[in-house]
Amino acid sequence: NAGVTQTPKFRILKIGQSMTLQCAQDMNHNYMYWYRQDPGMGLKLIYYSVGAGITDKGEVPNGYNVSRSTTEDFPLRLELAAPSQTSVYFCASSPDTLKLFFGSGTQLSVL
Amino acid sequence: RKEVEQDPGPFNVPEGATVAFNCTYSNSASQSFFWYRQDCRKEPKLLMSVYSSGNEDGRFTAQLNRASQYISLLIRDSKLSDSATYLCVVTMGGGGGADGLTFGKGTHLIIQP
Repeated sequence: NAGVTQTPKFRILKIGQSMTLQCAQDMNHNYMYWYRQDPGMGLKLIYYSVGAGITDKGEVPNGYNVSRSTTEDFPLRLELAAPSQTSVYFCASSPDTLKLFFGSGTQLSVL
Repeated sequence: RKEVEQDPGPFNVPEGATVAFNCTYSNSASQSFFWYRQDCRKEPKLLMSVYSSGNEDGRFTAQLNRASQYISLLIRDSKLSDSATYLCVVTMGGGGGADGLTFGKGTHLIIQP
């Protein structure tokens, strides 16, 4: 009964480093999403996927990449990390594009 | 005009009181509406959907006013555990796009003993 699992929970990166945030869901949901949340701001959509092999850009995709090789996994790749990417990242899945189930988040600091 | 607007608060409310807050949306074609709850440093969790006829779930009542383009959340007999940030979510709905959800910035509620 894991739901949506995100790893790691915390990470500190140096400017220019790269990393992958992992996200996995066990609910067989077709729809998966990556959001970032900055203090006092609403959730902003980075990328989303409507099924294995299909991904699309959201509102703030620059500096990120995703892949969806299986229904379960939806990793988010940060290339050349910048201080502007300091944020809390949430992965979510949905059976119907309306109700989202979120992972517990990754707090990322880029210094 | 912002798509989804909420009063950020904080709303400081004594335990046992009733509190209500609204969320306005700008797109009159919006179809589906939700309230999510987010505890400090935690992920958002779906609290309730908002239906045209209004709906109630225990101490929580959600209302939709399409004419004035806002939804509301009312909490009766508030508990300390109700302290959280409440996020308004609006979508075009009807399966109309996986990227169609818009989140408000949230209203911060603090229930005081």
